[in-house]
Amino acid sequence: GQQVMQIPQYQHVQEGEDFTTYCNSSTTLSNIQWYKQRPGGHPVFLIQLVKSGEVKKQKRLTFQFGEAKKNSSLHITATQTTDVGTYFCAGTSGTYKYIFGTGTRLKVLA
Amino acid sequence: SAVISQKPSRDICQRGTSLTIQCQVDSQVTMMFWYRQQPGQSLTLIATANQGSEATYESGFVIDKFPISRPNLTFSTLTVSNMSPEDSSIYLCSVIGTVNTGELFFGEGSRLTVL
Repeated sequence: GQQVMQIPQYQHVQEGEDFTTYCNSSTTLSNIQWYKQRPGGHPVFLIQLVKSGEVKKQKRLTFQFGEAKKNSSLHITATQTTDVGTYFCAGTSGTYKYIFGTGTRLKVLA
Repeated sequence: SAVISQKPSRDICQRGTSLTIQCQVDSQVTMMFWYRQQPGQSLTLIATANQGSEATYESGFVIDKFPISRPNLTFSTLTVSNMSPEDSSIYLCSVIGTVNTGELFFGEGSRLTVL
């Protein structure tokens, strides 16, 4: 079945440093979404990417969808303590069933 | 957006018992899903709750263990049957807010601990 892996599994950064998480799917995706889950909370939608090679920005966050639509990345510039949480990508191959990636847990040290 | 209420928020259950989780949405939605999140893990899709018909289960999940009801477009229940400690997880109800964006909205989750 479809698998979606993320690396790294954990990342500890000093506040102000950049952070990147990578998402890789075993199959071609029709679109990919990114979610953030704060400790003790539920996943919250960040963004959706649909087009091959698409790049979207939200303030300090930059999201990219690979040309082959099998991988994606999330880059955070100058991390802040409010960025703490687990970041999940979630992909679909054309239905409304989203397969979540393994997640990257980000810890920001002040 | 969609506001989702789940009950109970947490419970401690005895081995062999069953528990039903309720999910109430503040608006009518077509697509409703149930996910499981084991401690420190990612989200795994259990099933799609279909209004007026049997739920569609993912590989590894069966109706006898996780019966689902969806009597209307705003409400669903998930029952975890004959629980064992391996069922200790957070169970999350999710809906698609708008068809255009496909954005998933999640309930706060139901944290079950099975002793």
